[in-house]
Amino acid sequence: RKEVEQDPGPFNVPEGATVAFNCTYSNSASQSFFWYRQDCRKEPKLLMSVYSSGNEDGRFTAQLNRASQYISLLIRDSKLSDSATYLCVVNTHGANAGKSTFGDGTTLTVKP
Amino acid sequence: GAGVSQSPRYKVAKRGQDVALRCDPISGHVSLFWYQQALGQGPEFLTYFQNEAQLDKSGLPSDRFFAERPEGSVSTLKIQRTQQEDSAVYLCASSGFSGANSFRTGELFFGEGSRLTVL
Repeated sequence: RKEVEQDPGPFNVPEGATVAFNCTYSNSASQSFFWYRQDCRKEPKLLMSVYSSGNEDGRFTAQLNRASQYISLLIRDSKLSDSATYLCVVNTHGANAGKSTFGDGTTLTVKP
Repeated sequence: GAGVSQSPRYKVAKRGQDVALRCDPISGHVSLFWYQQALGQGPEFLTYFQNEAQLDKSGLPSDRFFAERPEGSVSTLKIQRTQQEDSAVYLCASSGFSGANSFRTGELFFGEGSRLTVL
């Protein structure tokens, strides 16, 4: 069983839809949580950090449930440009201080 | 440029050849990471440096893999006697200027990767 598990999808949604991705992690010592975005044949880039209280950045909302070891990402009003693979990432420290463990990603395709 | 630079971008090797992949991190970044990404999977951790010290090499798949960062900036990942299963994209990431606040931002900055194909 992988340390970080994600539903691989693909998720195919129309423009304007709301879509949610889930992620579970097995290491209860995990302290830092992130969502990264990876476009096809490109490098991953940070989308947002995930805080215990939940946080929002425009159309994107991230939630963390430490008790269930579960992270989610909600995208509202999907745009064509949101099409990408979304990677869930956990770290037992801050991401600068030790290995970050990545899920295999959830692929999103937003269609006109 | 200001980002993480990796070379070569593409490398084709015959099985049994040695390869060396270079990573030039963002200037001043303390931490440097190597990841291996196979098609359709997420990046898998290989090794981590803080300055010149290799603090974690638990992800290196075999003793054919070796990484160094002798002066705490540029890093090289070397793969000896390449095998077909080594075919993947090798990603380098850096983070963390020394100094408390920046060090805790948590963002990894990735290079574009070196795509290795072993025939």
